[in-house]
Amino acid sequence: DQQVKQNSPSLSVQEGRISILNCDYTNSMFDYFLWYKKYPAEGPTFLISISSIKDKNEDGRFTVFLNKSAKHLSLHIVPSQPGDSAVYFCAARRGSGGGADGLTFGKGTHLIIQP
Amino acid sequence: DAGITQSPRHKVTETGTPVTLRCHQTENHRYMYWYRQDPGHGLRLIHYSYGVKDTDKGEVSDGYSVSRSKTEDFLLTLESATSSQTSVYFCAIAGGGNYGYTFGSGTRLTVV
Repeated sequence: DQQVKQNSPSLSVQEGRISILNCDYTNSMFDYFLWYKKYPAEGPTFLISISSIKDKNEDGRFTVFLNKSAKHLSLHIVPSQPGDSAVYFCAARRGSGGGADGLTFGKGTHLIIQP
Repeated sequence: DAGITQSPRHKVTETGTPVTLRCHQTENHRYMYWYRQDPGHGLRLIHYSYGVKDTDKGEVSDGYSVSRSKTEDFLLTLESATSSQTSVYFCAIAGGGNYGYTFGSGTRLTVV
């Protein structure tokens, strides 16, 4: 069973508009959530994260929102730029054991920014 | 500024042969991980290490073994490669606490 779900395999957005990527999770033991960005032939790179005790975290053009009761988080990119075209992975960490036992990833959403 | 390197970057091997992938870090991080990425599956954890000689299984560990004899090196071995192990393999490191994991550039393995 998938504990982290990204239900949109791809998303196309016009340059300058807002991109919203969604992620749902099922495991209530997750206490920390991260977004990674991946270009072809490269490893994923860390983008932004949020602790379960917060509902919003902002870093420049990137904002992550967490709705703990709905077990849902979203990544907002404003404004979207051509360099944002990539695959975005949502990931979650279990609180027990200090998170040493790895991250659980969603399947990813391919974001395409149209000029 | 690569604090984590994977080798080889590409490998083609035959079914039934053993294969070892290497992950090397210069960050002195305690935690190291091996993931595989496949279309339609995202990234799945194979094995991880929380210290020298301390390792544990992840979600998809069957057919894989790991070793960590030094802090800086984490080896992934496919004991007898199968076509289902054709994938891109990523190593990751973490220092603990609320920090994002740092990933290597990946190894593309093809089993023919």
